[in-house]
Amino acid sequence: GAVVSQHPSWVICKSGTSVKIECRSLDFQATTMFWYRQFPKQSLMLMATSNEGSKATYEQGVEKDKFLINHASLTLSTLTVTSAHPEDSSFYICSAGPRIHRGGELFFGEGSRLTVL
Amino acid sequence: AQSVAQPEDQVNVAEGNPLTVKCTYSVSGNPYLFWYVQYPNRGLQFLLKYITGDNLVKGSYGFEAEFNKSQTSFHLKKPSALVSDSALYFCAVRDHNTDKLIFGTGTRLQVFP
Repeated sequence: GAVVSQHPSWVICKSGTSVKIECRSLDFQATTMFWYRQFPKQSLMLMATSNEGSKATYEQGVEKDKFLINHASLTLSTLTVTSAHPEDSSFYICSAGPRIHRGGELFFGEGSRLTVL
Repeated sequence: AQSVAQPEDQVNVAEGNPLTVKCTYSVSGNPYLFWYVQYPNRGLQFLLKYITGDNLVKGSYGFEAEFNKSQTSFHLKKPSALVSDSALYFCAVRDHNTDKLIFGTGTRLQVFP
């Protein structure tokens, strides 16, 4: 299947700092990417839909100024957690797929575990 | 609105026995249904999908799922469980309008030796 790469796998930062997570589609172009957040022993919560060349679409309750998403190219989307606080600690996962508009499956990155001290 | 339900938080099965992980769906229109597996601290791996065609879908690692329109179900099955199948399994449905994937709450499968 298609490959989605996420970096970093884990990051520890101090409260108040910003952290950037990258999501890349390695062998296909992705006009749309999705960002999810997963709390321990819970399901995936969709945060936002990242659209290449336009603004991201955020789910209800997700602060767009807190979670900045940039989809500058057809293979890269970034999620920046700004002024991170301990409650932002979570597992963040991105996904994309080469044929999602025709019923194709999504492929997921390996996830990024963020710990804010 | 599209949704899926996974009624079991955990399923326990002995190695070698058949396993079933349940999923029911609620959609308007024809459903696009998916199963994913997640191992600890990892992303999700695609197992199989139903878009159209045969109701019995075969996927990765010997898993299969049966689409049942009358019961609005898409249960995941495997004839003979392995200890290495122990993981978290998610059922999901595609929202046709937005292409978003809506996940169930997940079912933890434990296969005992």
